[in-house]
Amino acid sequence: GAGVSQTPSNKVTEKGKYVELRCDPISGHTALYWYRQSLGQGPEFLIYFQGTGAADDSGLPNDRFFAVRPEGSVSTLKIQRTERGDSAVYLCASSLSGAGVYEQYFGPGTRLTVT
Amino acid sequence: QKEVEQNSGPLSVPEGAIASLNCTYSDRGSQSFFWYRQYSGKSPELIMSIYSNGDKEDGRFTAQLNKASQYVSLLIRDSQPSDSATYLCAVMEGNKLVFGAGTILRVKS
Repeated sequence: GAGVSQTPSNKVTEKGKYVELRCDPISGHTALYWYRQSLGQGPEFLIYFQGTGAADDSGLPNDRFFAVRPEGSVSTLKIQRTERGDSAVYLCASSLSGAGVYEQYFGPGTRLTVT
Repeated sequence: QKEVEQNSGPLSVPEGAIASLNCTYSDRGSQSFFWYRQYSGKSPELIMSIYSNGDKEDGRFTAQLNKASQYVSLLIRDSQPSDSATYLCAVMEGNKLVFGAGTILRVKS
């Protein structure tokens, strides 16, 4: 079946601009996660949704970052007033549920470059 | 800060050999552990999960867990050049995964 999809695959933006990154999880997966990966590092957790609600947003670095999942499926990560330090690969993952232990499957990622 | 540590490598092994990748973690209460493979320029791909002490085998891959020593490892038997990638160890903390920085594996033909 179809895996996690993310759009765009690449995004180049100027410092100070606003960007939106989209994630479409595996069909039937109720849990959705955003991670960020910098070169040479493992992914770092940003936010977790169970259904429509953000159950854990402890990884969001500051209030310029926000994410929504209004219908419990597609999620959008929004970054305001982008900074060069926001440049990274943004990964989305989904799992069957967030309750209990379920394996997380990653999408292809969006490479964000802030110039 | 809960940590997951991996040797960055690169670990170089000849084709056909066994590759051994190691990971330690700081949270003694951790219960769920995962190995992901990441090819250059691609996203992490889940290859193994392990939840109980001991060994878990899947094809050429064996995951080993020792909770008392806070240690998890991945063995790759009959290593192939296509196994060359970065291997990420991840520990579940609540609902999120905490990753190590990964070990680069190079299999030489």
